[in-house]
Amino acid sequence: GAVVSQHPSRVICKSGTSVKIECRSLDFQATTMFWYRQFPKQSLMLMATSNEGSKATYEQGVEKDKFLINHASLTLSTLTVTSAHPEDSSFYICSALGQEYNEQFFGPGTRLTVL
Amino acid sequence: AQKITQTQPGMFVQEKEAVTLDCTYDTSDPSYGLFWYKQPSSGEMIFLIYQGSYDQQNATEGRYSLNFQKARKSANLVISASQLGDSAMYFCAMRGPRFSGGYNKLIFGAGTRLAVHP
Repeated sequence: GAVVSQHPSRVICKSGTSVKIECRSLDFQATTMFWYRQFPKQSLMLMATSNEGSKATYEQGVEKDKFLINHASLTLSTLTVTSAHPEDSSFYICSALGQEYNEQFFGPGTRLTVL
Repeated sequence: AQKITQTQPGMFVQEKEAVTLDCTYDTSDPSYGLFWYKQPSSGEMIFLIYQGSYDQQNATEGRYSLNFQKARKSANLVISASQLGDSAMYFCAMRGPRFSGGYNKLIFGAGTRLAVHP
């Protein structure tokens, strides 16, 4: 299957700093990527849809200025959590849209802890 | 609105036995897709199997099969010959409604935690 990587896998930062998470499709081109957030023992919550060359589409309730998404190439999308606070601590997972069934291939996730 | 329901928060099965994980869905869109993903403790989401609403046969992928009952709006995952490595969270998901522009979005169920015992 297709491979999607995420970097970093874990990050711990101080409150008020910004954190950038990268999502890469390693062996295929992805015009569409997705960013999810997952709280402990809960399901995935879609935050935004990232489209190469255009602005991201955010889900209702997700702050655009807080969670900046850039899809600069067909293999890379980045999520920047700006001015992070402890309530932003979570598991962030990206996915890239496949071609066969329009299935989503997920990255390994990034665990963000804001102190 | 679309909805995915997984009513089993936890299941356990003996190694080498088969297990069925339940998933029901609700949609008014005649065309939809259903997915199952596995999430081990490491956190990554692993795509297991896909069923299209117009597919005539139930999907199968190795030890995974999908018991698709369209009239009942259910898409249960069957894992045959369970292995210890199957212990994980399992999520059922539906592709979002086409008319809303969210065709490729996934709506996830709450998940079922499967424990395989030796």
